[in-house]
This record gives sequence, structure tokens and C-alpha cells, in this order.
Amino acid sequence: NAGVTQTPKFRILKIGQSMTLQCTQDMNHNYMYWYRQDPGMGLKLIYYSVGAGITDKGEVPNGYNVSRSTTEDFPLRLELAAPSQTSVYFCASSRTTNTGELFFGEGSRLTVL
Amino acid sequence: QQPVQSPQAVILREGEDAVINCSSSKALYSVHWYRQKHGEAPVFLMILLKGGEQKGHEKISASFNEKKQQSSLYLTASQLSYSGTYFCGTTLEGSGGSNYKLTFGKGTLLTVNP
Repeated sequence: NAGVTQTPKFRILKIGQSMTLQCTQDMNHNYMYWYRQDPGMGLKLIYYSVGAGITDKGEVPNGYNVSRSTTEDFPLRLELAAPSQTSVYFCASSRTTNTGELFFGEGSRLTVL
Repeated sequence: QQPVQSPQAVILREGEDAVINCSSSKALYSVHWYRQKHGEAPVFLMILLKGGEQKGHEKISASFNEKKQQSSLYLTASQLSYSGTYFCGTTLEGSGGSNYKLTFGKGTLLTVNP
């Protein structure tokens, strides 16, 4: 089982560019999440989805967009990249949303210069 | 409301014990513990629900003190493989424990030396 797969692992963007971080899971989980992790700050929820076609904002959604057309895929779109979006991004999924274990991808390190 | 973890960092020698605390100023429904090794994804350790239950196996266990709104993670006879950053995540009472209401602490860096 691959679990949660994220691409790319590393990316450097120029200010104002856009890009999409890909996330796919093969565990048939309905619930998927995007987090960002800044040094010494823990994980912050950007967006989440409770199933195909249903997404909602988390704690820090500004500057990002998501879509969920299938159960497996949950891409994160960065529009007009800014230096403040330099971070490590983690995609996660869970079988249940109530007290359920989160399965994380390996992360995508994004630098905006 | 971000939970507060203490200590921020701890250095141990192999075989020593450690306690990591996670506290909240608000009533908690659940506490989640994850470990993240450098450059890797966080990995689930355990979940505790309100009711003061203690969970764990072998040398890593945790408790949840409902009255104090605090959880403690116990690492006994530490091994080199225990090194990493430990995060607690909490959901508040009334949230139903939904993962999308999970708030993570800043983490505790644990270093185990030979």
C-alpha cells in the first residue's frame, strides 16, 4: 500500500507564480486534509474535505484553493505565491473524522523567492 | 486554542525516561499524540478521549487528566529510535472530536543519545 502520496517533494517558486500540490491516497478514505508546517509552529489546517465534491476552510485558507473531484485526489492550488507561503505542506487522510488516526504524506517543501 | 506543550526540548541518554506534557485552558474532548522524525511525516501514536483513560503499549504510554485538561506522554527506557519531535493535538469539548477541529501544539523535540 502506498498510503498518501504527495508530489512534488520540493519546489521553488517566484513571487506571483501559481502551482498545484498533488495528493492522492489509496486507502479509500473519505476524509482528507491539507496542513502547513512552519518551523517551531506545529501543524496548521489549510483546507479539508469530507468526501468527493465537499471541501471547507480550515484555520489558514487565505491564498489557497482546493478541489475534490474523486475520493482519491485532493490537490492544493497556490495562486499568486507569496514569501509567506514558504513552508512544508502535508496532505493527510483519515477513515473517520471523529477521533480518527491521520495518515500523512511525506510532505512537500515549497520555497517562494 | 493551541495547546501548550512542555518542555520545548529534552535530551536523554538511552535508557532514561521522559515525560512530555500537553495542556489546554479549555475543556478537552480528545488528545492525539504524533511523532515526527526529521524530514519525515508525522506518525500517529495514540488518541485519548475524555474520561481520564490511560493508553499505550510497551514503553510509550499516555494519560489524560480531565480535571486539569492535560495529557502526559510517558517514554520509558528510551531508545535511540524515540528521537524526534512529539506533537499533541487537541479537540475541544463540544466538537465531537472532529479531526478538522484538531489543533496541534508547537511540539517537543526529544533527542536520545547513546
